[in-house]
Order: sequence, then C-alpha cells, then structure tokens
Amino acid sequence: GAVVSQHPSRVICKSGTSVKIECRSLDFQATTMFWYRQFPKQSLMLMATSNEGSKATYEQGVEKDKFLINHASLTLSTLTVTSAHPEDSSFYICSASETSGVGGEQFFGPGTRLTVL
Amino acid sequence: DQQVKQNSPSLSVQEGRISILNCDYTNSMFDYFLWYKKYPAEGPTFLISISSIKDKNEDGRFTVFLNKSAKHLSLHIVPSQPGDSAVYFCAAIRGSGGYNKLIFGAGTRLAVHP
Repeated sequence: GAVVSQHPSRVICKSGTSVKIECRSLDFQATTMFWYRQFPKQSLMLMATSNEGSKATYEQGVEKDKFLINHASLTLSTLTVTSAHPEDSSFYICSASETSGVGGEQFFGPGTRLTVL
Repeated sequence: DQQVKQNSPSLSVQEGRISILNCDYTNSMFDYFLWYKKYPAEGPTFLISISSIKDKNEDGRFTVFLNKSAKHLSLHIVPSQPGDSAVYFCAAIRGSGGYNKLIFGAGTRLAVHP
C-alpha cells in the first residue's frame, strides 16, 4: 500500500519557538495533503487541506498565520507551527491522496507528537 | 460540536468472540462512512467502508452495518483475533468543494485477549 512518512515523530520545544513538521508520500504523488490535529481523548480534527502548488484551505477556527502549510511538491508538505504555545501541544497527523476529487483514498502518516513547554 | 461519536473509549473481547464497535453521527448529510484501524506509532489505515445507500458491507471477518434512521453504524469483527487489538476510528465523509473531508470519531481501543 501507499506509504506516508512524517518527521519528526516527536518534538519538544520551548514556548515562542517555531516547529516544522514534514509529511512525505514515499511511493506515490500526492495531489492533495491533509493536516489533522488530535487532542487527548478527542477525535482527529481536520486543520487544513492543500493541493500542490496552491494555498492551503483552512478549516474554521484554524489560524492560517499560526499554522503555515507549504505543499511545494507532489511528495512533500510541511506544517510550521509558529510561535508555539503550550496549548498547541497535540498530536499532528497528515494524510495524502493521489486525487483531489471526492473518492480519493487518504493514506495517513504515523503522526508527530508536539509538546510545547 | 462532535458530529461523529464513539461513546466507548475501550472494549475488551476474548479471542474467538465477536467484537462490536459502535459509532453514532448527527449530520444526515454524510453519505459515506469509513472505519480505520490504528496501531501504536503508525498512522490510521483504512479497514472497511459503506455507502449511505447500503445497510451492510462485508469483507472477510469485518462487517459494517449502517442504520440511517438511527444515524448509527457498527463494525463487527468475528472471530476476533489478538492481532485485531488496536484503536478503531469511525469516520464520515462530507463532500465539499471536491475534497474528501473526513470527520472522525474519537476512537475505540479494542483489546482482544486469549
């Protein structure tokens, strides 16, 4: 099956710093990538959707200036949490799809655990 | 506002018995439902799905039932095996703008013991 990797798997940072998380599709070209966030005992919540070469579409309540998403190639998307604060501590997970239309299966990365001190 | 709910955070089942994982949703506009399985340190992987025009879909040991009037779906695993121990997520699709916007439940941790 299609493989999606994320790096790093775990990161601890100080409050006020920025953290970049990478999401790569290893054996397919990802037209669309999705970024999710999961707080403890809560569901995976979609943060934003991005198409290669286009600006990301953010879900309501997600600050686009705080969570910068770059989808520069068909195999790489990055999420940068700018000026991170303890409330940004969460599990961030990406998924990738070969198509941009409805019906395209999403393949998930293993996730990144962010802890902001 | 949680549109997809998995009210049981955990479930313990004996090997060989049936595991039943439940999921409820509130949005009648959902037209496609999926179950994902997640092992520790791995991303969720697709398990089985069902369209809203059907009430049952079966794939080997896994069967998903959909009750639209009750806005309820369930995943049956029979017989359960220790390797089925994982977190199971129910998800619903709300197609919008051409993208697959997956709405997830919080997950149910299944433990299958010998």
